[in-house]
Amino acid sequence: DAKTTQPNSMESNEEEPVHLPCNHSTISGTDYIHWYRQLPSQGPEYVIHGLTSNVNNRMASLAIAEDRKSSTLILHRATLRDAAVYYCILAGGTSYGKLTFGQGTILTVHP
Amino acid sequence: SQTIHQWPATLVQPVGSPLSLECTVEGTSNPNLYWYRQAAGRGLQLLFYSVGIGQISSEVPQNLSASRPQDRQFILSSKKLLLSDSGFYLCAWTRDSANTGELFFGEGSRLTVL
Repeated sequence: DAKTTQPNSMESNEEEPVHLPCNHSTISGTDYIHWYRQLPSQGPEYVIHGLTSNVNNRMASLAIAEDRKSSTLILHRATLRDAAVYYCILAGGTSYGKLTFGQGTILTVHP
Repeated sequence: SQTIHQWPATLVQPVGSPLSLECTVEGTSNPNLYWYRQAAGRGLQLLFYSVGIGQISSEVPQNLSASRPQDRQFILSSKKLLLSDSGFYLCAWTRDSANTGELFFGEGSRLTVL
């Protein structure tokens, strides 16, 4: 499976935008880019996913580089409830659901 | 709406004892089902997945087994627990096998083997 690289941790202040980067230089043409987040002692929660075009939903936006070798998850206004571990994951073809979770980025949000 | 339930939420078991974790999905039919494990301080690891009743695929060799006796029921078992089986076990489901849906996780079962 193609691998992703994320910073170990990031910090933000409440109500400020947060840009969480992810590098995936070995991404294949059929790999979708998925983002999940996990709060302490809970299961991961789906955030967003995309293939080539930028995506928006009620939780976040996903900006995908033109060469698809990197992407950025954007939280437009961070809240304390957004403090979590954020995982960037690649999955392609029929392997969806068989996700490989790395260490992710620990996001701390300061009041 | 669809829901997923796991139980028990927490359990402490001695080494060598059996294990049974149960997962049930409601509000959908023929889901793909998954068991993941998260060891302390580590990322999630896929253990088993199932695309239908009686169909189980194992992703890693281990001391555990899985079964799917009904369409929306997924069970994780062990005959004899090891210390290394401790962790946070998560059941999950998807609507289909394409990359168009999201993976829904249960609340998790925290297992401590002593």
